[in-house]
Amino acid sequence: QSVLTQPPSASGTPGQRVTISCSGSSSNIGSNTVNWYQQLPGAAPKLLIYSNNQRPSGVPDRFSGSKSGTSASLAISGLHSEDEAVYYCAGWDDSGAVFGGGTKLTVL
Amino acid sequence: EVQLVESGGGLVQPGRSLRLSCAASGFTFDDYGMHWVRQAPGKGLEWVSGISWNSGTTGYADSVKGRFTISRDNAKNSLYLQMNSLRAEDTALYYCAKGVTLAVAGTGFDYWGQGTLVTVSS
Repeated sequence: QSVLTQPPSASGTPGQRVTISCSGSSSNIGSNTVNWYQQLPGAAPKLLIYSNNQRPSGVPDRFSGSKSGTSASLAISGLHSEDEAVYYCAGWDDSGAVFGGGTKLTVL
Repeated sequence: EVQLVESGGGLVQPGRSLRLSCAASGFTFDDYGMHWVRQAPGKGLEWVSGISWNSGTTGYADSVKGRFTISRDNAKNSLYLQMNSLRAEDTALYYCAKGVTLAVAGTGFDYWGQGTLVTVSS
């Protein structure tokens, strides 16, 4: 049982906009920033968004993050087939870093 | 180019110990906190431990507290994880990850190694 709650799956067609939600509590998302990771099949995770809405260099601006209260979301616009991956939200609470269970994004 | 290369994984019996290493290059190692994150086969990500830039602060997941010890050698650009009293549930791919900041808490992990597999089984 993950501390942060994500839907297990999401899907979209090429060019579409999809959003992935992440729900937490006042002790994690409510009081700390949220990061998002993309894990392609067979690969190590990659930082996609940090500090709620900041993109590391090299991450396309099709990816955006937002946070409100104890929830956060990742939006992917102009969906590409290579966006098919598992996406994890992450934050911090008093016990350390916490992750969501991951959302498998399928590009139809 | 930032590189993180883990080593030290393998098959180990329950109750035994293992030491993981992570060799870092391509960045100023002692400017950043470092972390271990694991992924059990077919499962999600779990943060294991983190250490600040100067080893002054460490943190552990409740699941490993008292059994695992994180350390770093800034002169050797290396991160370590000493794992004692291993259990079957510790079986996972262990990733070394670089923090975005020098602290342990509140940071993202902007570079990851490819991982080293630890299998705990009799």
